[in-house]
Amino acid sequence: GDSVTQMEGPVTLSEEAFLTINCTYTATGYPSLFWYVQYPGEGLQLLLKATKADDKGSNKGFEATYRKETTSFHLEKGSVQVSDSAVYFCALSGFNDYKLSFGAGTTVTVRA
Amino acid sequence: DSGVTQTPKHLITATGQRVTLRCSPRSGDLSVYWYQQSLDQGLQFLIQYYNGEERAKGNILERFSAQQFPDLHSELNLSSLELGDSALYFCASSEDGTEQETQYFGPGTRLLVL
Repeated sequence: GDSVTQMEGPVTLSEEAFLTINCTYTATGYPSLFWYVQYPGEGLQLLLKATKADDKGSNKGFEATYRKETTSFHLEKGSVQVSDSAVYFCALSGFNDYKLSFGAGTTVTVRA
Repeated sequence: DSGVTQTPKHLITATGQRVTLRCSPRSGDLSVYWYQQSLDQGLQFLIQYYNGEERAKGNILERFSAQQFPDLHSELNLSSLELGDSALYFCASSEDGTEQETQYFGPGTRLLVL
């Protein structure tokens, strides 16, 4: 079945550092790919998405490019802030599928 | 704020009991999804409803049931609760409930079974 593999955390960074969280997927056909973020004590918020190969999703300084050749959707941000401390989830919705399949989540802590 | 509301925010109950979690979707959304987030299983899809009808089923236990009402709000019923049912339960909604559609999540209900 469809699945998502995320790099394991936790990840600890200093403010203004570069962040990358690796995400690879296994799916038949052409899934849609998503990044969700969960801030402490809150629900999941959609961060960005991409629906076809080579699409780049971007939001709040975060970017991810849908790479079909490497089945990847890595999340990047050039300069993180303390407020970016959260758990980040990579997810996919497969072809002919209604549900989201999530990765295990990566906890990111940004120190001032 | 996603526009999806869930009540209650927290729930503490005992083993063997039954609870009901409630979700109101975003205005205009016809489809509702339920997910369970636990430490050992991560985020797991439970069930989807579209305009009152069940559309897809995931890893939902037989002790759990759900429904979507004519006003489109949904309830997730958990019965004969066990310690392992302690988790964060999320509701999400989407406009048409079609494949690969973006889902918007509520703040979740944290259930603790003692």
